[in-house]
Amino acid sequence: DTAVSQTPKYLVTQMGNDKSIKCEQNLGHDTMYWYKQDSKKFLKIMFSYNNKELIINETVPNRFSPKSPDKAHLNLHINSLELGDSAVYFCASSQDGFYEQYFGPGTRLTVT
Amino acid sequence: GDSVTQMEGPVTLSEEAFLTINCTYTATGYPSLFWYVQYPGEGLQLLLKATKADDKGSNKGFEATYRKETTSFHLEKGSVQVSDSAVYFCALGYSGYSTLTFGKGTMLLVSP
Repeated sequence: DTAVSQTPKYLVTQMGNDKSIKCEQNLGHDTMYWYKQDSKKFLKIMFSYNNKELIINETVPNRFSPKSPDKAHLNLHINSLELGDSAVYFCASSQDGFYEQYFGPGTRLTVT
Repeated sequence: GDSVTQMEGPVTLSEEAFLTINCTYTATGYPSLFWYVQYPGEGLQLLLKATKADDKGSNKGFEATYRKETTSFHLEKGSVQVSDSAVYFCALGYSGYSTLTFGKGTMLLVSP
């Protein structure tokens, strides 16, 4: 069974479009995250949700909007895509009070 | 703020060579320390962790010791295999709802 899954795995789209990436975890965790990994492999936290509530929102353009319909899902919607949004986006989850984070396989977004 | 510094890669080794990947940190509190590994095309996986000073984390032949006096958490393996080729991330974190602070990652390439 997949612990943290993301869809789609690859996403190619044009500038100006709006797209969504979905994430689901079946670990029963209370906290979920979105990270962005750039072409140099640098990993940066974007958002963190705990029990469907936003708890961390790093300096991210407001074109990015996370949505958590329930504590097992955290989706990322991106409006007006730009070339600089091209990256691999990782979803992760952890249990409250624990440090270990479980990562999804990533979504490679390419904006042309 | 907190930060993690890793040695730049790629680190290129022959099979059965000894591996060291340096990691130092700056922290405002008393964090736990982690090594994550990212195999090609996959998400990050927790490799090992240490939650307090002088703790040694170990897994799959890899080891790292939490050294508070030198603020370091160097990753070592006595004999690397081709299958160890991956990107290795050092990270620090705290309990509760905080996120992890990652280093920039170090690519390891092991040749037969």
